[in-house]
Amino acid sequence: DSGVTQTPKHLITATGQRVTLRCSPRSGDLSVYWYQQSLDQGLQFLIQYYNGEERAKGNILERFSAQQFPDLHSELNLSSLELGDSALYFCASSVGVSMIGGRAAGEQFFGPGTRLTVL
Amino acid sequence: GQQVMQIPQYQHVQEGEDFTTYCNSSTTLSNIQWYKQRPGGHPVFLIQLVKSGEVKKQKRLTFQFGEAKKNSSLHITATQTTDVGTYFCAGTLGNAGGTSYGKLTFGQGTILTVHP
Repeated sequence: DSGVTQTPKHLITATGQRVTLRCSPRSGDLSVYWYQQSLDQGLQFLIQYYNGEERAKGNILERFSAQQFPDLHSELNLSSLELGDSALYFCASSVGVSMIGGRAAGEQFFGPGTRLTVL
Repeated sequence: GQQVMQIPQYQHVQEGEDFTTYCNSSTTLSNIQWYKQRPGGHPVFLIQLVKSGEVKKQKRLTFQFGEAKKNSSLHITATQTTDVGTYFCAGTLGNAGGTSYGKLTFGQGTILTVHP
């Protein structure tokens, strides 16, 4: 158990719909990252938040948006869903500051993922 | 954009054989991390390499970071069935920032199958 929780575990929806994926980082972690994993695209970085602010953006579509709330949990919103959006969506968290207690601050702890199926 | 290439895509070995996966970046990396994802699971952090030419060992696993900080490798000695899974390298480009580590660019992963 990484300490990162994601809900829901599975989500089945139709094209054109909108869904929200939720992530709670490990206690004390300030950075949250979202990734998309599909069979043919590997693990693709979508976006990073640090202490409520967007810090880095990857290959995130305009139909997708995310935010990190004051309690540090994060939500990924996917709208106008297409068949190609079917994938496993992972959230990860990290401390987000330089070496703490000798542990590499860049280490990311992944949640169990949300499997999204768009029909 | 920054790309991290990883080879091979698949590797089948007999239990007891060695295994190596290679990672190459188109740009110099600030650091490189390695993750393992078991079938049906999520990526789990294995190690981070920061220094040029760095070599780190974890039991049967040996990790190397190239002198130019553009390539890395993971070598497993005498594979076991518990080693099955996908091994990913992930690089951070340039300055990681004073208070936050930026995005990781993941390689495509090497899927390791170990036949007993």
